Amino acid sequence: DTAVSQTPKYLVTQMGNDKSIKCEQNLGHDTMYWYKQDSKKFLKIMFSYNNKELIINETVPNRFSPKSPDKAHLNLHINSLELGDSAVYFCASSLGDRGSETQYFGPGTRLLVL
Amino acid sequence: AQSVTQLGSHVSVSEGALVLLRCNYSSSVPPYLFWYVQYPNQGLQLLLKYTSAATLVKGINGFEAEFKKSETSFHLTKPSAHMSDAAEYFCAVITGGYNKLIFGAGTRLAVHP
Repeated sequence: DTAVSQTPKYLVTQMGNDKSIKCEQNLGHDTMYWYKQDSKKFLKIMFSYNNKELIINETVPNRFSPKSPDKAHLNLHINSLELGDSAVYFCASSLGDRGSETQYFGPGTRLLVL
Repeated sequence: AQSVTQLGSHVSVSEGALVLLRCNYSSSVPPYLFWYVQYPNQGLQLLLKYTSAATLVKGINGFEAEFKKSETSFHLTKPSAHMSDAAEYFCAVITGGYNKLIFGAGTRLAVHP
């Protein structure tokens, strides 16, 4: 029944590794997002896809690559992980990409890079 | 560029007391404004949003917020705090363009008996 789900919930890995986080929504939404929450709880958007098309790409290192195989899924692949990548990553979705649309957030993936 | 300022990173109230969490925004165009709540180790849940309809917005769990254009504010209030309200609260704005939420730094609300 979970509207926006993410896997894994926790991810502990070594510097230099490559890892992926998966997100799925069962709300029938067209637009999906990735946000990063740092250790001070500050939230910042990273990417957004609308109908599988990238529409927002903030100043994120190109080690981060989102992929949307279909409207219900948005995955985040991170290459050559660095200590500073440690954070909580939230996936979200909304009906469309208009500003008035509510974004529904997943439970987050807690990434710790050692 | 749009931004959000939340005054007070920590707010502490007694159970039953008024909750007031402050949020000011800057935007060159009419904004959409949101309040989200985050409980420990969980995702964000929408409390309420302003989308240019009524300026007084009622949300879930007894919270409400008033959009004041002249003060560029969107403060969150609740008449009587419950212990279960203890959480992190985020104010956010969307202006123009795509659905890009710009968040404030958050306010941690503590409720004591």
